[in-house]
Amino acid sequence: DSGVTQTPKHLITATGQRVTLRCSPRSGDLSVYWYQQSLDQGLQFLIQYYNGEERAKGNILERFSAQQFPDLHSELNLSSLELGDSALYFCASSVAPGQGAEGYTFGSGTRLTVV
Amino acid sequence: DAKTTQPPSMDCAEGRAANLPCNHSTISGNEYVYWYRQIHSQGPQYIIHGLKNNETNEMASLIITEDRKSSTLILPHATLRDTAVYYCIVRVGGDYKLSFGAGTTVTVRA
Repeated sequence: DSGVTQTPKHLITATGQRVTLRCSPRSGDLSVYWYQQSLDQGLQFLIQYYNGEERAKGNILERFSAQQFPDLHSELNLSSLELGDSALYFCASSVAPGQGAEGYTFGSGTRLTVV
Repeated sequence: DAKTTQPPSMDCAEGRAANLPCNHSTISGNEYVYWYRQIHSQGPQYIIHGLKNNETNEMASLIITEDRKSSTLILPHATLRDTAVYYCIVRVGGDYKLSFGAGTTVTVRA
């Protein structure tokens, strides 16, 4: 158990639908990162939040959005889902941006299947 | 972030040392070298990182050349559980995201 909790572990939904993925960071960590891993793209950085504020954006589609709440958990919202959105979605957390790589801990991921 | 080049795959015998090379010829002076691994669709796991000096922890050793253009991750006694994709990443200290490449698929064989 890495200390980063992601729910649900598996999600199957239909095209056009909307889903929410949840991440609880490791205790004491203020920064949350979201990554997408599909078969043909590898691990792609989506977005980062630090203490409730958006800090950095990567290759995140406009159909996707995220937020970090006062209790520091984060949610990634995926809407108008397409077959190509099927992927593993990982959340990672760290104490603060750039505070050493060893503080960058990944969760076990959510496997999203769009049918 | 500087780009890295890793061999796509390598095999290793159980109990032997596994030496994983990484080229990062365009690395800047303030960029660190990090290694992560991912075991079969699990979340990536931090292994080790370094700037200039060689580093060792309970998992592995990191050897960085003097010109810092390449490095080697050493798993001293590979086990079957070390079978994974290993990622070499360089990034500026204080930067926020890790940029993953294709990595090296390491297969440890009995």
